[in-house]
Amino acid sequence: QKEVEQNSGPLSVPEGAIASLNCTYSDRGSQSFFWYRQYSGKSPELIMSIYSNGDKEDGRFTAQLNKASQYVSLLIRDSQPSDSATYLCAVRKNTGFQKLVFGTGTRLLVSP
Amino acid sequence: DTGVSQDPRHKITKRGQNVTFRCDPISEHNRLYWYRQTLGQGPEFLTYFQNEAQLEKSRLLSDRFSAERPKGSFSTLEIQRTEQGDSAMYLCASSLARGNTDTQYFGPGTRLTVL
Repeated sequence: QKEVEQNSGPLSVPEGAIASLNCTYSDRGSQSFFWYRQYSGKSPELIMSIYSNGDKEDGRFTAQLNKASQYVSLLIRDSQPSDSATYLCAVRKNTGFQKLVFGTGTRLLVSP
Repeated sequence: DTGVSQDPRHKITKRGQNVTFRCDPISEHNRLYWYRQTLGQGPEFLTYFQNEAQLEKSRLLSDRFSAERPKGSFSTLEIQRTEQGDSAMYLCASSLARGNTDTQYFGPGTRLTVL
């Protein structure tokens, strides 16, 4: 079992729709969760961080965390073609470890 | 406000040659990380520094790889006797440790091609 799992996609949504990206993780002791966006050929860019159960909203983005289910998601409202990218879920296990463990990413395609 | 910078952005080398990459973190950040990313995969952790101390190393970091952060500012990653399997994007990230939160910001990466 991979430590962080994501559906590789592509996830195709029309412009203006809500895109829902999901991520599960295996280590129940994980403390910190991050979503990065990566355009083709570029480096990861931080979108959101979340540390507590529940929802966290930032503009069109909402991160949702459920530690009991070991599940974290990212919702993108009013999706735009410029949101087309690969979205990487990253997890930091506990305070003793600083490295991030990444999923393979979900490719999102937003069609005009 | 300058972000993380990396140099060079691209490197093409022949198998067996040594290469060195440089990373300059965001100025006040005390933690610096190296990751490697291959096509279709997420970044994989290689090593990290807090100030000048190298605190964690991945098993991916074979004895051909060495990283330094001599004065707690910039860092270098050297790969000796490169192999074709070393071809990847090498990413540097930095963060400022604050309590339990530690958000890593990535540089543009160095794309290595080993012929």
